[in-house]
Amino acid sequence: KAGVTQTPRYLIKTRGQQVTLSCSPISGHRSVSWYQQTPGQGLQFLFEYFSETQRNKGNFPGRFSGRQFSNSRSEMNVSTLELGDSALYLCASSLDPTGIQYFGAGTRLSVL
Amino acid sequence: GENVEQHPSTLSVQEGDSAVIKCTYSDSASNYFPWYKQELGKGPQLIIDIRSNVGEKKDQRIAVTLNKTAKHFSLHITETQPEDSAVYFCAASISQGGSEKLVFGKGTKLTVNP
Repeated sequence: KAGVTQTPRYLIKTRGQQVTLSCSPISGHRSVSWYQQTPGQGLQFLFEYFSETQRNKGNFPGRFSGRQFSNSRSEMNVSTLELGDSALYLCASSLDPTGIQYFGAGTRLSVL
Repeated sequence: GENVEQHPSTLSVQEGDSAVIKCTYSDSASNYFPWYKQELGKGPQLIIDIRSNVGEKKDQRIAVTLNKTAKHFSLHITETQPEDSAVYFCAASISQGGSEKLVFGKGTKLTVNP
């Protein structure tokens, strides 16, 4: 069974641009959560989707948004990028919102 | 608010020794506590987890203990090997909006010296 797949693995953007990251969950998993990982703040919860609905949201500005498709694949979007958005963005999937979370390898975003 | 404290931030041991990482959490309603191992360039990998109705769980060289009264839980690795070197994260579940959100500790960088 394939694991959680995140694309792209690396991304370089400049301030003010926007970016879209993609996450394909483990087959059969319907819940997808997104986290931002930085050396200073560690792993911080962004949002969670289940059955195409956002169930939970962390304390991030509105520039961070996401969505989930009918096949459970998810995307997150960051608009008007800031230098501080440079981070590893991790996606985790689970069977349902209370299930064990399995992480992908992440997308490393660098904002110049 | 929701908070998970993890100690130590770095830990260096000799191969064959034991390693212990400790976490405390703030939300008394938390009932699920996973531990993740993250190697360089990879995402966190679940290594063991425990639910609040259990005090201890063991899987080969890895064990987790939970003290709900004191709101702390610990990871124990025995007979450490160089391949155990990684960053370890503890987490506690927070129920919110009908689903569970994980709040993570800041991580412990474990180095096992051959």
